[in-house]
Amino acid sequence: DSGVTQTPKHLITATGQRVTLRCSPRSGDLSVYWYQQSLDQGLQFLIQYYNGEERAKGNILERFSAQQFPDLHSELNLSSLELGDSALYFCASSVNGESTQYFGPGTRLLVL
Amino acid sequence: SQQGEEDPQALSIQEGENATMNCSYKTSINNLQWYRQNSGRGLVHLILIRSNEREKHSGRLRVTLDTSKKSSSLLITASRAADTASYFCATVTQGGSEKLVFGKGTKLTVNP
Repeated sequence: DSGVTQTPKHLITATGQRVTLRCSPRSGDLSVYWYQQSLDQGLQFLIQYYNGEERAKGNILERFSAQQFPDLHSELNLSSLELGDSALYFCASSVNGESTQYFGPGTRLLVL
Repeated sequence: SQQGEEDPQALSIQEGENATMNCSYKTSINNLQWYRQNSGRGLVHLILIRSNEREKHSGRLRVTLDTSKKSSSLLITASRAADTASYFCATVTQGGSEKLVFGKGTKLTVNP
């Protein structure tokens, strides 16, 4: 158990819908990262927050957004969902950028 | 985009044998991390090696880093059936954001 929690574990929805994925980092970790894992793209970095502020952006679509709240939990919002958004979405946390990133169990999203 | 390239893509060995996986990357790095993923589940952190380190051990794991060749290797000694998983290397780029850039992984099968 990494100490990072993610909900829900599984999500099935339809094209055009909007979903919210939630992540709670390990106690004391200020950085939260979101990654997407799909068969064709592999593991891709989406976005990072540090202590409530956006720190880095990766291959995140405009239809996707995220935020980190004062209690440090983070949410990833995916809207206007398409079939190709079906993937495993991971959250990771770390103390700082040079330390180990610990991953949550992931949310498996299936868009039908 | 993916930086690391693991080699081989797949590896099948017998229990008790050693397994070696290699990773090459393209840019200067702060650190390199190895992760394990059991079939479609979460990523488990194995080991982090910093750019000024050449070798690190953790239990049956040995990681080497050659920054001049931009490559790393992961050795699992005396493998067990429970080691069956996909193994990924991931780098944190020097002077860049703190995101992890993953390779495509090596799928290791340890036959009992």
